[in-house]
Amino acid sequence: EAQVTQNPRYLITVTGKKLTVTCSQNMNHEYMSWYRQDPGLGLRQIYYSMNVEVTDKGDVPEGYKVSRKEKRNFPLILESPSPNQTSLYFCASSLSAGGRTEAFFGQGTRLTVV
Amino acid sequence: GQQVMQIPQYQHVQEGEDFTTYCNSSTTLSNIQWYKQRPGGHPVFLIQLVKSGEVKKQKRLTFQFGEAKKNSSLHITATQTTDVGTYFCAVSGGSYIPTFGRGTSLIVHP
Repeated sequence: EAQVTQNPRYLITVTGKKLTVTCSQNMNHEYMSWYRQDPGLGLRQIYYSMNVEVTDKGDVPEGYKVSRKEKRNFPLILESPSPNQTSLYFCASSLSAGGRTEAFFGQGTRLTVV
Repeated sequence: GQQVMQIPQYQHVQEGEDFTTYCNSSTTLSNIQWYKQRPGGHPVFLIQLVKSGEVKKQKRLTFQFGEAKKNSSLHITATQTTDVGTYFCAVSGGSYIPTFGRGTSLIVHP
């Protein structure tokens, strides 16, 4: 089954404690991206990757890092989380560059930073 | 990224009534996509429109792309409780970053 898998689904952490949210897709997609969703603000792109070892900033990259060492995986790293990073996070993948082909979203990770 | 305005933010309807959400851009779009997110769920792709004036239908859903490729609409005929959720448009005006509208939340009252 074609899918994007994120882990964990829920996470509560404390300010400053490094965390990683994993994302994996099994569709051999080249394009992967991370979004955060906040009430009334829709989906805002954090980082995206066009292919292995190619990553770039989206609209709201501050406080986040990503890596793309393998085609299927695109982890999101928060080196020093802060309360304003409390949000619902989605990983997505698509066959080609963002917005031109169907995007497949993971189930989401609800992060709370206290 | 590309700017896109989606209205309304919320829409309450009685079951059986129609529903429409609009997505507007100040610049010409190369294409537009529509997604649906059920409460507690993740966005799921519905459709992509590419051609000027394009109209596509999926059962009770009708999607339109404006002649100038600057706006789009999603219309649901005779809403059902299964239509509840937030509907997003996503546009890519030429960059690699797709921009999502803020979404329209549809609430259907039985």
